[in-house]
Amino acid sequence: DTAVSQTPKYLVTQMGNDKSIKCEQNLGHDTMYWYKQDSKKFLKIMFSYNNKELIINETVPNRFSPKSPDKAHLNLHINSLELGDSAVYFCASSQELAGRAEQYFGPGTRLTVT
Amino acid sequence: ELKVEQNPLFLSMQEGKNYTIYCNYSTTSDRLYWYRQDPGKSLESLFVLLSNGAVKQEGRLMASLDTKARLSTLHITAAVHDLSATYFCAVDTAHDMRFGAGTRLTVKP
Repeated sequence: DTAVSQTPKYLVTQMGNDKSIKCEQNLGHDTMYWYKQDSKKFLKIMFSYNNKELIINETVPNRFSPKSPDKAHLNLHINSLELGDSAVYFCASSQELAGRAEQYFGPGTRLTVT
Repeated sequence: ELKVEQNPLFLSMQEGKNYTIYCNYSTTSDRLYWYRQDPGKSLESLFVLLSNGAVKQEGRLMASLDTKARLSTLHITAAVHDLSATYFCAVDTAHDMRFGAGTRLTVKP
């Protein structure tokens, strides 16, 4: 069973469109994340979310919004896509346990905006 | 603002050699992680280091943490081709989570 899954794996779309990426984890974790990895492999955290708190990286444009229908899902919705949004987006989850909270990453979604 | 710096960013080494990747961070933290990423793949957790002086080993990789120096190292012993990947350190504080820029390791025969 895949611990953290994302769909779609590839997403090609035009500028100005709105798209969503879905993420599901079956680990029972209480915190989920979205990361953006650019072409230089640099990883930037976009959001972290648990059932108590949404933490937004202040550098993330408000065109990006996380939506969590339940504890096991954190979807990423992007409005008015721009060329600079092209990247690989990773979802991750973690559980605070005995002082550790290593993250388990999904397979990634490669978004290409044309 | 939490900053995490890794060096080197690129590392080409021959099989059988030893080398160390360094991870410096700017604020107090007791939680440091090392991840591996193969090309086109996701990130895989390698080590979790939770306290000063922590040392973890798995195969040819050994990670250590010095919280006073705000430094973690990932030591590679007798490198083999299968270790070729990008290695990230990540630091977790109560208010922030940051990854280093990654070290792209290539092990050549």
